[in-house]
Amino acid sequence: DAGVTQSPTHLIKTRGQQVTLRCSPKSGHDTVSWYQQALGQGPQFIFQYYEEEERQRGNFPDRFSGHQFPNYSSELNVNALLLGDSALYLCASSPRDSGNGAQHFGDGTRLSIL
Amino acid sequence: AQKITQTQPGMFVQEKEAVTLDCTYDTSDPSYGLFWYKQPSSGEMIFLIYQGSYDQQNATEGRYSLNFQKARKSANLVISASQLGDSAMYFCARPNTDKLIFGTGTRLQVFP
Repeated sequence: DAGVTQSPTHLIKTRGQQVTLRCSPKSGHDTVSWYQQALGQGPQFIFQYYEEEERQRGNFPDRFSGHQFPNYSSELNVNALLLGDSALYLCASSPRDSGNGAQHFGDGTRLSIL
Repeated sequence: AQKITQTQPGMFVQEKEAVTLDCTYDTSDPSYGLFWYKQPSSGEMIFLIYQGSYDQQNATEGRYSLNFQKARKSANLVISASQLGDSAMYFCARPNTDKLIFGTGTRLQVFP
């Protein structure tokens, strides 16, 4: 039973570029959430997708956008990259009707902006 | 906005000893419980234990247990019989609707 998988593992970009990160949820999960974790901090919620729509959004600018596909996988897009976007990006999945809201996380994508 | 506080940036514990990691929250909403996650250097967030807000007894999962005190709004993680593999960052998190609000974490180092 595959868990949450994210790709790529590491990525290096320069300021102003655009990046796409990918996530496949755990089998049986239909809800995907994205988090940004800066160095030395806890993860911060970016947004959540369910039924191919953005359902909730954290305090992130419009440069951050996403998509969910019919197979429940998801992409996170960041445009006009800034140095401050350097972080570990975590994807988490859960079943929509999970009783305690437990989210299962992937290994993350480490994004470095030069 | 809800805030989760972990006051211990770092903790040291000797192998086979027990250690307590602190976590407090500042919301009065009784609906949600609290999660603890472990994050090794690889980056993955590993779910450890959950305490429901209305659970009568403290949650336990193997060597992990929660000391949940609703009146003090605290949910401390107790790791018994520490192992070298327990060295990692530990985060407590509380649900807010469907998203998780995380604390800043505690780095635990277990030494022989």
